[in-house]
Amino acid sequence: EVQLLESGGDLVQPGGSLRLSCAASGFTFSSYDMSWVRQAPGKGLEWVSGIRGSDDNTYYADSVKGRFTISRDNSKNMLHLQMNAVRAEDTALYYCAKWRYSSGDFDCWGQGTLVTVSS
Amino acid sequence: DIQMTQSPSTLSASVGDRVTITCRASQSISSWLAWYQQKPGTAPKLLIYEASTLESGVPSRFRGSGFGTDFTLTISSLQPDDFATYYCQQYNTYWTFGQGTKVEIK
Repeated sequence: EVQLLESGGDLVQPGGSLRLSCAASGFTFSSYDMSWVRQAPGKGLEWVSGIRGSDDNTYYADSVKGRFTISRDNSKNMLHLQMNAVRAEDTALYYCAKWRYSSGDFDCWGQGTLVTVSS
Repeated sequence: DIQMTQSPSTLSASVGDRVTITCRASQSISSWLAWYQQKPGTAPKLLIYEASTLESGVPSRFRGSGFGTDFTLTISSLQPDDFATYYCQQYNTYWTFGQGTKVEIK
């Protein structure tokens, strides 16, 4: 069974940094593309970043480009999101999702980790 | 950026009703569209991908259709488990979600 378990969410001050992690199990992690999708409280879904499994190519939404960095450790089946220079608008539940490159959808999701940016 | 517009934002319906949600893209996305269901406090669940392909394990009462810029999600006979928020998502240029359609009990 595919499982994705996010961690690292916390209360952080504006301008601060935070690192989110996602532990994957139940599938060959290195063979799959992965993404982060966020959801602000009471709001809709927003894609944040993605990383290919085949060549580690990375992709970012304009709203986080230059501030967030996605990475993966295939030896540990882990996905990470380094968040720097965070803003109040980054407050959200951050989901780790398994991304199917062939069809462009997200077929498995974790339960999310909450990031709150506030002074 | 490709914008996705769903309608309606909220839909009130009864068990057994036929329900249709529409999603419009700001430019053609071919068939690169997925639909998700999200219940309060839980992660989204993939229902349909490539506009009309039912994800494994999803009941056949869910049907997706459309191509280009106009898409629909139809639930043929609404069940109690279907009251939730539904999102469309495009994958033609990066990823964009619609704003969501909440299906509530009438």
